[in-house]
Amino acid sequence: DAKTTQPTSMDCAEGRAANLPCNHSTISGNEYVYWYRQIHSQGPQYIIHGLKNNETNEMASLIITEDRKSSTLILPHATLRDTAVYYCIVNSGTYKYIFGTGTRLKVLA
Amino acid sequence: GAVVSQHPSRVICKSGTSVKIECRSLDFQATTMFWYRQFPKKSLMLMATSNEGSKATYEQGVEKDKFLINHASLTLSTLTVTSAHPEDSSFYICSPLGLGEKGLYEQYFGPGTRLTVT
Repeated sequence: DAKTTQPTSMDCAEGRAANLPCNHSTISGNEYVYWYRQIHSQGPQYIIHGLKNNETNEMASLIITEDRKSSTLILPHATLRDTAVYYCIVNSGTYKYIFGTGTRLKVLA
Repeated sequence: GAVVSQHPSRVICKSGTSVKIECRSLDFQATTMFWYRQFPKKSLMLMATSNEGSKATYEQGVEKDKFLINHASLTLSTLTVTSAHPEDSSFYICSPLGLGEKGLYEQYFGPGTRLTVT
C-alpha cells in the first residue's frame, strides 16, 4: 500500500474551515483514500473515503487531485470538538490499514 | 451500524500477570480482525491479523507467544497479554473487517483498551 505524508500539526480558528492536506504520490489506480480521526484516548473514527471523485458527507468533504497524488480533507466549520489527530490512509483492499503519523489539528476558540 | 465494543476499557494489572481483552462486533460479522497498539503520542501500530478459525499472523517484532489472539467466532476476538510487564502498558485497539455501505470491505475500530502494568 502507498505511503502518505501529512503535516505534523495544524491550528484552525473555531468556525473556520480546516483544510488538511495529504500527499500520496505513489498511489496506484485501485487504491482508495480514507480519512480517520482519533480523539484523545478513543479508537479511530471514520470520516470519509474516495477513489477519484470528490466526496462529501455530513462530516467533511474530500477533494482528490486529478492525478490522485494528493488530497485534502475539509471540515467546513471547525468546532472545538474537531480537535484530534487526523489520519490519511490509502488502501487497495489488502484491508491492512497502515497508519502514518497523522496531523494533529487544534481548533482554537 | 458497524458497532464495535471492547472490554475492559481500562485495566491495571501487576507485572507477571495475564490480561485478556475482548473485542466484539455487535451488528456485523467479521471474518478478519486486526489488533493495533498505540503508545502515548504515537500512531497506531499493527500487531497482528487473524481470520476466524485460523491462527493469527503477527507483524515483525511482535511476539506471538506473548500476545495470544483467539478469533473463535465471527463476532468475538480476544487478545491476551501474557506475563505482562510495564513496557506492555499501552492502548490496544481492535479493528474488525466488515462490509461497508458502498459494498467495500472496510476496517471498523473499537474504542480501545488502556492497559497499565505496574
